Amino acid sequence: NAGVMQNPRHLVRRRGQEARLRCSPMKGHSHVYWYRQLPEEGLKFMVYLQKENIIDESGMPKERFSAEFPKEGPSILRIQQVVRGDSAAYFCASSPVGGQVNEKLFFGSGTQLSVL
Amino acid sequence: AQSVAQPEDQVNVAEGNPLTVKCTYSVSGNPYLFWYVQYPNRGLQFLLKYITGDNLVKGSYGFEAEFNKSQTSFHLKKPTALVSDSALYFCAVRDFYSSASKIIFGSGTRLSIRP
Repeated sequence: NAGVMQNPRHLVRRRGQEARLRCSPMKGHSHVYWYRQLPEEGLKFMVYLQKENIIDESGMPKERFSAEFPKEGPSILRIQQVVRGDSAAYFCASSPVGGQVNEKLFFGSGTQLSVL
Repeated sequence: AQSVAQPEDQVNVAEGNPLTVKCTYSVSGNPYLFWYVQYPNRGLQFLLKYITGDNLVKGSYGFEAEFNKSQTSFHLKKPTALVSDSALYFCAVRDFYSSASKIIFGSGTRLSIRP
């Protein structure tokens, strides 16, 4: 019974390149959340998705960042033209049903993005 | 907007002593509060939650948290600290301002238990 799977664990990109981070939720989960963790800081909400729908992207930067969760396959967080400030740990979490008050999130181990 | 605050960046406790990690919250309606723990190079793991009911909530690994409405606090506690409890602890609140109901996390408190 695999948990939330994120890959790659570590991703190195040069400034201006694209970064693609993947997240496969737990089996049976149809809701995905992406968070960013900067060194010595807490988790900052980025985006919440259901299958084929973006529910809340209020934490996403307006430019260069996008996310999707297709009907088939993992959720993808895409960062275009990366800059050094994008270096962070990106965590994905999933839940079986979104919006329930007592619902806990299941987290992946994260992708550490380093921009050179 | 709803938020949580963790006033201590770091808490140091000797093994065998009780520990407390502080959290205060700010919400407009009913608070839905959570504690998560993060071990090095790992994702967050759920510890416990408060939704309604008893103010003292028991969770994983012997942790508990006390909900105090008058002080708007939800402190995490454990009677006897273990070295293996050393980790980063996050308090969180459910945000019901938006229709999405995302979870908002505090800045985290690093707990260090010395032998």
